[in-house]
Amino acid sequence: GENVEQHPSTLSVQEGDSAVIKCTYSDSASNYFPWYKQELGKRPQLIIDIRSNVGEKKDQRIAVTLNKTAKHFSLHITETQPEDSAVYFCAATYGGNQFYFGTGTSLTVIP
Amino acid sequence: GAGVSQSPSNKVTEKGKDVELRCDPISGHTALYWYRQSLGQGLEFLIYFQGNSAPDKSGLPSDRFSAERTGGSVSTLTIQRTQQEDSAVYLCASSFNSGSRKTQYFGPGTRLLVL
Repeated sequence: GENVEQHPSTLSVQEGDSAVIKCTYSDSASNYFPWYKQELGKRPQLIIDIRSNVGEKKDQRIAVTLNKTAKHFSLHITETQPEDSAVYFCAATYGGNQFYFGTGTSLTVIP
Repeated sequence: GAGVSQSPSNKVTEKGKDVELRCDPISGHTALYWYRQSLGQGLEFLIYFQGNSAPDKSGLPSDRFSAERTGGSVSTLTIQRTQQEDSAVYLCASSFNSGSRKTQYFGPGTRLLVL
C-alpha cells in the first residue's frame, strides 16, 4: 500500500518568513494530494490540493508543488502570520478509496 | 449547507463498556471515512464506506471495533469492551469521491475517554 512520510515534524518561523513542509509518497498510482490544517482542538480543514496532472498550484499565500518523478510534494506558506500556527497534514490517494496521511507538522509562527 | 456532524462530542466510559459513535455526513456524499487521532498524533485510518458497503476495513485495530452505514447516510462506529488505549478523538469525514470531487470534509470529532 501507499506510505506517506512528512517532514519536519515541528517547524518554527518568524512572522513574515516562509515555511515549507515536504511529503514523499511511495505509490506512483496516487493522483490526488490534499493538505489539511488542524488548529488546536478543531477538525482538519482542507487548505489546498493538487492533482497529478498539475505541477504547481497557488492560492494567495499558500502554494503546493508536486514532483511525480521523485514522488514528493511540498506545501509553501509565504509571509507567515501567527494565525498560520497549526498542525498541517499531507495526504495521498488513488481513486479516493483510502487517504494515506502524513504524521503531521506542527508549525509555530513567532510574532 | 450543513457540514459533517458527529455525536456525542465527548464520551467518558468505563473500561469494558461498549460505546457507539455516530456520524452524519454531508447530504449527497457517497463516501464516508472513520479515523482515530490520539493526542498529538496523526490520523489513523479505520474504515471507509462507499455507499453502504465497506470495501476497506483494514484499519480496524481489533475485532472489538465495527462500523456500519445505513441508507447511504448515517454511520455508527461501535467499540465493544473498551480499553484505556481506545481513548482518542474519533473523526469522521465524507466526500463525493467521484471524478474530480475527492475532497474530504471532516466532522468535529468525538473525544472518547476510557477510564
